[in-house]
Amino acid sequence: ETGVTQTPRHLVMGMTNKKSLKCEQHLGHNAMYWYKQSAKKPLELMFVYSLEERVENNSVPSRFSPECPNSSHLFLHLHTLQPEDSALYLCASSQDYANTEAFFGQGTRLTVV
Amino acid sequence: SQKIEQNSEALNIQEGKTATLTCNYTNYSPAYLQWYRQDPGRGPVFLLLIRENEKEKRKERLKVTFDTTLKQSLFHITASQPADSATYLCALFSGGYNKLIFGAGTRLAVHP
Repeated sequence: ETGVTQTPRHLVMGMTNKKSLKCEQHLGHNAMYWYKQSAKKPLELMFVYSLEERVENNSVPSRFSPECPNSSHLFLHLHTLQPEDSALYLCASSQDYANTEAFFGQGTRLTVV
Repeated sequence: SQKIEQNSEALNIQEGKTATLTCNYTNYSPAYLQWYRQDPGRGPVFLLLIRENEKEKRKERLKVTFDTTLKQSLFHITASQPADSATYLCALFSGGYNKLIFGAGTRLAVHP
């Protein structure tokens, strides 16, 4: 275990559903990230929070909405997704923003039907 | 345009041999480069970090080189074992973009 926990591990949702992904870290890290990983493609950075402030939003559609209520928790709220949003969603944390190794969670395998 | 390229074809080698994986990049000046291992359905796990002023880094059976002139990093696993079979990702930290950027990864299969 890396110290970063994601729930749920698997999620199947319809295009009209609303769901949330949860990420938790108790490593004392200051930065947390959401990545999307599609088959045979590089990890795509979606959002970055540093000290609970959002510092990066890589042109992600508004149907993805992040929330960072404190330094240990990160959420990704999902609504009206499309089938092409099906992917592995990975949460990561690092001591500081983007200058140290990243610790990843196990990911949430999302299928949009 | 900026690119990070890893061999998209799987690398198949015999147990006991040395596996060498390549990471090439263009139009970046990374402050450092990292290598991660990813098993199917799981998140990447950090292996090694090498800085721009370092030529080589070792950790047990792993060795990473970093050539900023060639814009290339090589990742070696010596005395490979079937348990080393996984996808290996390189990632570089771009100071200009101030973020970690990943390659698509190379799948390694070590056969007994």
